[in-house]
Formats: sequence, structure tokens, C-alpha cells
Amino acid sequence: NAGVTQTPKFQVLKTGQSMTLQCAQDMNHNSMYWYRQDPGMGLRLIYYSASEGTTDKGEVPNGYNVSRLNKREFSLRLESAAPSQTSVYFCASSEVSWAAYEQYFGPGTRLTVT
Amino acid sequence: AQRVTQPEKLLSVFKGAPVELKCNYSYSGSPELFWYVQYSRQRLQLLLRHISRESIKGFTADLNKGETSFHLKKPFAQEEDSAMYYCALGGPHGNTGKLIFGQGTTLQVKP
Repeated sequence: NAGVTQTPKFQVLKTGQSMTLQCAQDMNHNSMYWYRQDPGMGLRLIYYSASEGTTDKGEVPNGYNVSRLNKREFSLRLESAAPSQTSVYFCASSEVSWAAYEQYFGPGTRLTVT
Repeated sequence: AQRVTQPEKLLSVFKGAPVELKCNYSYSGSPELFWYVQYSRQRLQLLLRHISRESIKGFTADLNKGETSFHLKKPFAQEEDSAMYYCALGGPHGNTGKLIFGQGTTLQVKP
């Protein structure tokens, strides 16, 4: 039982390049989330998926797209990376979609955009 | 609008001293509040939630609706408590499980 896994762990991009961050969970959770963590800003929600087939914007969605591929997988795509997207990205999942429940986090992806 | 404020970026105490990490929230409904912790080189994990009313690793947190606060307390800090702590706010039904996190407080416990 790996919980929430993320790939890659580290990535360096040049401005304008694109990439997809992968996230998978093996806990049969309905809801999945993507956050970014920046010093002094805490964790900010980028996108979330309350259930398979649905996605919604969070607090800071600009510059990102997501895909809920199936119940296990939720990917985050940067179409044209910008230095402002340098951050640590966390994926999380939770059991229910209609209430605040414990979220389980992945190990994070440290992204640098030069 | 929902908001969580952790006023201290860094809290530094000596081992054995009491610890209080402050958290204030803004929410018009009935809040559900959590404390998450991130130890060095580990992933973020739930420490406690107000509805459980339990003590985890010696930490407790009481929801004060009048002061809209959910401060995290421990009477005697240990070096292994050094970590980043996040307060998080969620709402009840219809909230889609989203949490709003505060800015985080780094707790440094000195020997």
C-alpha cells in the first residue's frame, strides 16, 4: 500500500517548456487535489477533483490544467512553464468528496523553472 | 470568504518549554479545523482535527468559536517536535472536501 505517489520528484524546466506531473493513489479515494507550496504562502489549492470525471478550479489555477484519468490518477499539466511556477507541488487524496476529511499527501515534486 | 491566518512564520523554543502555535480562521458556517505537520524529509500528515478532541504526541487544540481560533498547544516541547505546522479549515456538507491552509509556522525546538 503505497498511499499517494508522485512523479517526478525533481524537475528543472526552461521558460516555455511543458510538462505533466503525475499522481496516483491506491486507497480508493474519491477526491484528489493538487497544491503548490511556497515560502510564506502556505499550501494553495490549484485544482481538485471531487470524483472521477469531474475537476474544478482552486485558488490558483492559472497556467495549469488537470486530468482525472481514472479514480486512481490525477495529473497536473503546465503548458508553458513560467518562473513564477517554481514551487513544490503536492498531490493529495481524501475518502469523501462532500465534507472536509483527512487528506493524504504525496511526497511532493520540486519544480524549478529557469 | 474563508481564510486561515497563522501569524508566526517561526516559533523557536527550548526543550521542555510550553508551545502554542496560533491559528485564526474566518468562516461564516460551522468550521472543521485541522492541524497538519510536515517533519523534515517527510510528507505532510494529519496531526489532529478538532472534532476528534484527542491529544496526539502531547498536542491538543481547542476550537474557540468566539475568538475564531484553533491554537495548537503542548505543555513541554521535545526536539522531535521541530517541524512545519499548518492549520487548515474545511466546511461541512457541500464543501467538496476542500481545505484552506494557513501560511504555516516552523517550530524549532532547541536543546
